[in-house]
Amino acid sequence: RKEVEQDPGPFNVPEGATVAFNCTYSNSASQSFFWYRQDCRKEPKLLMSVYSSGNEDGRFTAQLNRASQYISLLIRDSKLSDSATYLCVVNRMEYGNKLVFGAGTILRVKS
Amino acid sequence: DADVTQTPRNRITKTGKRIMLECSQTKGHDRMYWYRQDPGLGLRLIYYSFDVKDINKGEISDGYSVSRQAQAKFSLSLESAIPNQTALYFCATSDFSVSGANVLTFGAGSRLTVL
Repeated sequence: RKEVEQDPGPFNVPEGATVAFNCTYSNSASQSFFWYRQDCRKEPKLLMSVYSSGNEDGRFTAQLNRASQYISLLIRDSKLSDSATYLCVVNRMEYGNKLVFGAGTILRVKS
Repeated sequence: DADVTQTPRNRITKTGKRIMLECSQTKGHDRMYWYRQDPGLGLRLIYYSFDVKDINKGEISDGYSVSRQAQAKFSLSLESAIPNQTALYFCATSDFSVSGANVLTFGAGSRLTVL
């Protein structure tokens, strides 16, 4: 079983739609959580950190459920420019603060 | 100029050849990393370095070596390239964070094809 698992998608949604992705992680020692965005053939870039109380950044909302070991990302009012792969990333507090990446969820927003 | 620069951006080589991928950064970060990305597998850590004298293996270091020539430079070598090393390679940097929540800044990637 992968340490970080995501539905690969693709999620095909119309502009203006609300879409949600989930990510599960297997290591209960995980302490920090992130969503990165990766455009086609480009490098990953940090979208947002995920805090225990949940956090919002504009149209994006991230939630963490430690008991069930999953992280979610909600995108409201989807834009064409949101089309990308969204990577769930988990950080473990051990030497190296190893970051473990999920394989990503593909989102395609269509007009 | 980009904060993290990788060269070459694309390389096609033959089995058995030695290849070096170079990474330089202007962010002043102490920590540098090499990842490879394969379809369906996500990014996997090859090597990482917390400072010039510190080199650590990641989860897939076999067949690779690294050199941290300076704080700003971290190179990845494939001593004898093989086809299953065909992948997209990313260099990344991060700063030290007391919370441990280190955020990575990636280079644009180096696409390597081994024939």
